[in-house]
Amino acid sequence: GAVVSQHPSRVICKSGTSVKIECRSLDFQATTMFWYRQFPKQSLMLMATSNEGSKATYEQGVEKDKFLINHASLTLSTLTVTSAHPEDSSFYICSARIRGGLETQYFGPGTRLLVL
Amino acid sequence: LAKTTQPISMDSYEGQEVNITCSHNNIATNDYITWYQQFPSQGPRFIIQGYKTKVTNEVASLFIPADRKSSTLSLPRVSLSDTAVYYCLVGDTGRRALTFGSGTRLQVQP
Repeated sequence: GAVVSQHPSRVICKSGTSVKIECRSLDFQATTMFWYRQFPKQSLMLMATSNEGSKATYEQGVEKDKFLINHASLTLSTLTVTSAHPEDSSFYICSARIRGGLETQYFGPGTRLLVL
Repeated sequence: LAKTTQPISMDSYEGQEVNITCSHNNIATNDYITWYQQFPSQGPRFIIQGYKTKVTNEVASLFIPADRKSSTLSLPRVSLSDTAVYYCLVGDTGRRALTFGSGTRLQVQP
């Protein structure tokens, strides 16, 4: 149990295009999902918190108009990188918190984005 | 959120027990301690979580002293496949996300 999937696993796009990344909790409901970004040899950095049915909360320094987050259901959150540029190339990881109990965060496998 | 301090790197050999200690002096009453493992180009994988004393599962043990200002992840008989980055995180079970520190890069050699 507690499986989180992401799609696509990797994507290459041209500068200026938009890319959508999906995050799904496969066997549990997640009222809250989180999006992280990780650059090579660095730790994960929280980008935003996504709550089902409401607007996402962005961390300081993360542009909400550039990184659009939609939490459409209890099992799906999407991150859209709009007008991507080479500096947006990174490893994007989502996580979901299981309701109840210790509410442990479980992470997806990540999406590698390369903007040319 | 409580800040954590871990060794940047550790080296070990196959078959040895590895103990990674994490300091979290400012841990709050409601905070839990969670450890994750991350391989290159993969998302973090949950290892173990605890609040106090000792927790054990099929993968590892977590030792937490009474003052909870530190914790130790114990990996019994490591193998080459345990080479990874290990993150110690503390946080409450509310809606706030876990914040990652720099982690400990464990290198297991034959």
